[in-house]
Amino acid sequence: SQKIEQNSEALNIQEGKTATLTCNYTNYSPAYLQWYRQDPGRGPVFLLLIRENEKEKRKERLKVTFDTTLKQSLFHITASQPADSATYLCARSPGNTPLVFGKGTRLSVIA
Amino acid sequence: DAGVIQSPRHEVTEMGQEVTLRCKPISGHNSLFWYRQTMMRGLELLIYFNNNVPIDDSGMPEDRFSAKMPNASFSTLKIQPSEPRDSAVYFCASSLQGEGSPLHFGNGTRLTVT
Repeated sequence: SQKIEQNSEALNIQEGKTATLTCNYTNYSPAYLQWYRQDPGRGPVFLLLIRENEKEKRKERLKVTFDTTLKQSLFHITASQPADSATYLCARSPGNTPLVFGKGTRLSVIA
Repeated sequence: DAGVIQSPRHEVTEMGQEVTLRCKPISGHNSLFWYRQTMMRGLELLIYFNNNVPIDDSGMPEDRFSAKMPNASFSTLKIQPSEPRDSAVYFCASSLQGEGSPLHFGNGTRLTVT
């Protein structure tokens, strides 16, 4: 079965530093991975998608990598700000089937 | 665009009562998903629809759970009878059908069953 794990439940970093969140998957490589942000009391909001044939994707201060050898995706937020504090979820799908989500990593950026 | 609208935002009910959660997807989206989120298990897919037709309900915990999508702009998730272990946040999401299409989530219904 598809499994996806986010290693850290929580991550605290200093403002201005780069936050790096990890997502690992088991079994076969997903066709793509997606990353979402969730704020308390709200639904997840889509941030980025990376396909298995892509090594890296960027959007403003966000960067996602996909390593099919390590079966891992890394999510980076550069020049982090307190407003980046939220829970970040990764999700996988082998193709045209619904996403399977990790449990998320709660990021706290300390001023 | 109003986004995905869920109601109610909060629901508190007693064990054994029927609970109905409602969802209005984004206009034009043809896939709709119901997820449940708890601290222990994270976000779990319950059921999804393509073009109003249920495709996979293997995530529905028990026969006490049922979902319908009578038209493209409305879906319900019903629990009858409810139990304390059903307490969770229930999310509805919609998307355009197709590989990689991002999900657009509502803000969820927090269900508490006492």
